[in-house]
Amino acid sequence: DVKVTQSSRYLVKRTGEKVFLECVQDMDHENMFWYRQDPGLGLRLIYFSYDVKMKEKGDIPEGYSVSREKKERFSLILESASTNQTSMYLCASSFRSVGASSYNEQFFGPGTRLTVL
Amino acid sequence: TQLLEQSPQFLSIQEGENLTVYCNSSSVFSSLQWYRQEPGEGPVLLVTVVTGGEVKKLKRLTFQFGDARKDSSLHITAAQPGDTGLYLCAGAFPGFQKLVFGTGTRLLVSP
Repeated sequence: DVKVTQSSRYLVKRTGEKVFLECVQDMDHENMFWYRQDPGLGLRLIYFSYDVKMKEKGDIPEGYSVSREKKERFSLILESASTNQTSMYLCASSFRSVGASSYNEQFFGPGTRLTVL
Repeated sequence: TQLLEQSPQFLSIQEGENLTVYCNSSSVFSSLQWYRQEPGEGPVLLVTVVTGGEVKKLKRLTFQFGDARKDSSLHITAAQPGDTGLYLCAGAFPGFQKLVFGTGTRLLVSP
């Protein structure tokens, strides 16, 4: 079974703090994703990475950065946390899509519920 | 622009009832996935449909991909409280690494 783990299930931080959220997958997936999920807004893509040291902005990258130094690990960084970044953060991974035969199935971690006070 | 619309947004039913959730788009997808997310957890992949008209069954859940690969439905027979959760559809485009997620359907099944 694919396993995607996230470093914390619950996190409480103060405004202005630097926050690191880590995600590790054990399926040798090329692609890794960070989403945030808010009531009424659905899943929104923050960043994704399609290879080590490669990254691409998603729909809402402002206020976030990412790091992918190893294939299995993808970190989300909040440089200076703000209260509007209180949310559920979800990490996912998938194999690289190649042509029409690829399914793009994503496998998710359990999520980190971040509260910024 | 939301490419995948799900309906209904919210469904509250009694145990034993049947229900259908719809996922609609004007775009053609190479594949479509359905996920279920329980409160406080990450989404879990239920099924992937690939061929137009394809029907897949997972116990009491039946998934269908539209003939034109633009829409999909999820039918649950004799719903149980354990079916409670957020159901998400997600579409894939050929060679495109990201998924397009639907707006979600929140299902509550009461005993």
